[in-house]
Amino acid sequence: SQQGEEDPQALSIQEGENATMNCSYKTSINNLQWYRQNSGRGLVHLILIRSNEREKHSGRLRVTLDTSKKSSSLLITASRAADTASYFCATDATTGGGNKLTFGTGTQLKVEL
Amino acid sequence: DAGVIQSPRHEVTEMGQEVTLRCKPISGHNSLFWYRQTMMRGLELLIYFNNNVPIDDSGMPEDRFSAKMPNASFSTLKIQPSEPRDSAVYFCASSLEVWQGISGNTIYFGEGSWLTVV
Repeated sequence: SQQGEEDPQALSIQEGENATMNCSYKTSINNLQWYRQNSGRGLVHLILIRSNEREKHSGRLRVTLDTSKKSSSLLITASRAADTASYFCATDATTGGGNKLTFGTGTQLKVEL
Repeated sequence: DAGVIQSPRHEVTEMGQEVTLRCKPISGHNSLFWYRQTMMRGLELLIYFNNNVPIDDSGMPEDRFSAKMPNASFSTLKIQPSEPRDSAVYFCASSLEVWQGISGNTIYFGEGSWLTVV
């Protein structure tokens, strides 16, 4: 079953606006990662936030993590048409089989000119 | 750096045929993952290897699926016999070794193998 659930499933905004995507998960994690997938391509790592961190920045990306609520958010500021893609959160948790990265259902972001 | 290389990129096959997907991980990476992506089920981890040894294959859907990693630079995912419900994009990914309790390694994905079983 999916560890992470992204919200919303789809988001359409105008270029220049900010885009916020949320991720909720169920069990304790070591870290949470966000990935991007362009149509027809593989996933590309964007940013990682560890369980003892609350906020992290990378360029136009800002990620927050609230372990008490088991949720994370990804904010893309000043969006561009090139940001159009699907965005996935992935939770890294220790299981009986070792560390395992489990992906959420994804948010499809469309940035219109 | 060449990245994770998968082949074939696209395959159309008839039900009942054997399908073999291939993957070359990034040199120096010793964890390898096979994922399957469909609209209905999203991205599912099928199996992963550490140092060529299968660690967790609980995601392999059934006995028709098998995966091998004979050496550090090559892995295969085989479906025999294939069925229409196996149609999906299969991703191979690699990372530096993951130790239990010490994590945070980025996973690098290949471009995927698009499988259609008719």
